[in-house]
Amino acid sequence: KAGVTQTPRYLIKTRGQQVTLSCSPISGHRSVSWYQQTPGQGLQFLFEYFSETQRNKGNFPGRFSGRQFSNSRSEMNVSTLELGDSALYLCASSLSAGGVDTQYFGPGTRLTVL
Amino acid sequence: AQSVTQLGSHVSVSEGALVLLRCNYSSSVPPYLFWYVQYPNQGLQLLLKYTSAATLVKGINGFEAEFKKSETSFHLTKPSAHMSDAAEYFCAVSHQGAQKLVFGQGTRLTINP
Repeated sequence: KAGVTQTPRYLIKTRGQQVTLSCSPISGHRSVSWYQQTPGQGLQFLFEYFSETQRNKGNFPGRFSGRQFSNSRSEMNVSTLELGDSALYLCASSLSAGGVDTQYFGPGTRLTVL
Repeated sequence: AQSVTQLGSHVSVSEGALVLLRCNYSSSVPPYLFWYVQYPNQGLQLLLKYTSAATLVKGINGFEAEFKKSETSFHLTKPSAHMSDAAEYFCAVSHQGAQKLVFGQGTRLTINP
């Protein structure tokens, strides 16, 4: 079974631009979560989608948004990029929204904002 | 609110020595606890998880962890370190009904030959 895939793997953008990252979950998984990883703040939860609905949201500004499609694929968007948005963005999928279900992580998209 | 504290941002052990990575959690509800490993330029891989069944949890690659409620701890151990264990390790907590993982700051494990 294929794992979680994320595209693109690397991105370079300039301040003020916007960016869209894509995540394809493991087949059959309906929950997709997004995390930001930076050296200073570590791993922080962005949001979680289940059946095309945002179920949980972390403490990030409204510039960070996401969506999920009927096939469970998810995208996240960051508008008006800031230097501090440079990070590794990780997507994770799981079978359902239950706390017991293991989240399987993709390789991440490394975003650099210049 | 939930939180995780990993004691020691960097741990160094000799090949063949015991690996002990410390994790303490705070949770107002029964926690589910996880250890993940991250190799350079890769995502996170699950090592093991505690979900209120057995308190001693065995994971992949010879790792295990023991849930101690009285100490609010979930330390990760491996009897004999291998060079391939060099990576960053993250402890995380969630609870029933939530898909939000709260991570510790991570511990970078170095193995000396």
